Amino acid sequence: AQSVTQLGSHVSVSEGALVLLRCNYSSSVPPYLFWYVQYPNQGLQLLLKYTTGATLVKGINGFEAEFKKSETSFHLTKPSAHMSDAAEYFCAVTITGGGNKLTFGTGTQLKVEL
Amino acid sequence: DADVTQTPRNRITKTGKRIMLECSQTKGHDRMYWYRQDPGLGLRLIYYSFDVKDINKGEISDGYSVSRQAQAKFSLSLESAIPNQTALYFCATSDVSSGANVLTFGAGSRLTVL
Repeated sequence: AQSVTQLGSHVSVSEGALVLLRCNYSSSVPPYLFWYVQYPNQGLQLLLKYTTGATLVKGINGFEAEFKKSETSFHLTKPSAHMSDAAEYFCAVTITGGGNKLTFGTGTQLKVEL
Repeated sequence: DADVTQTPRNRITKTGKRIMLECSQTKGHDRMYWYRQDPGLGLRLIYYSFDVKDINKGEISDGYSVSRQAQAKFSLSLESAIPNQTALYFCATSDVSSGANVLTFGAGSRLTVL
């Protein structure tokens, strides 16, 4: 079965600083990987996804993530944090032929300080 | 109107009561899911349905049941609620044609069992 591990349940950055949220995955077959964001009192929204092809994927709001097979990682980055980025971020994985069910990580709460 | 609508948004109930959470969608998606979110645990899959006649258990289905009344409607029931079912519940949908199973989430139903 596939799984994801998010390192750091809480991350705090200064406005304008680099955002780095870590995600490592485990899968016996090539995975599909996702980052979702949850703003307070809202459902989850897709930030970006990796399926096949280019390993650096760009998402909404200036976020991007790089699929590194050798490191089994899919870390989320943004060059310059904005106050509006404060939210909870979830990494998720699925595989083809596995019923297409997503398995989510435990989430990382991002705090952006002035 | 939201693509995925959950009702009620908030519910407080007592141990032993029967509770139904409802989900309806206007996306025209064939696949629907119920997830549960707990702090520090991320989202866990309760049940999922790939069409009206297809219902499948997720990783934490004990104590829950579902009904897919129509393509657009998927209800989650707690036959006899218990306090450890206090959580935030999300309905989600996806379209098989999207390939990589991108989920569209509702805004969530917060359930408190006293």
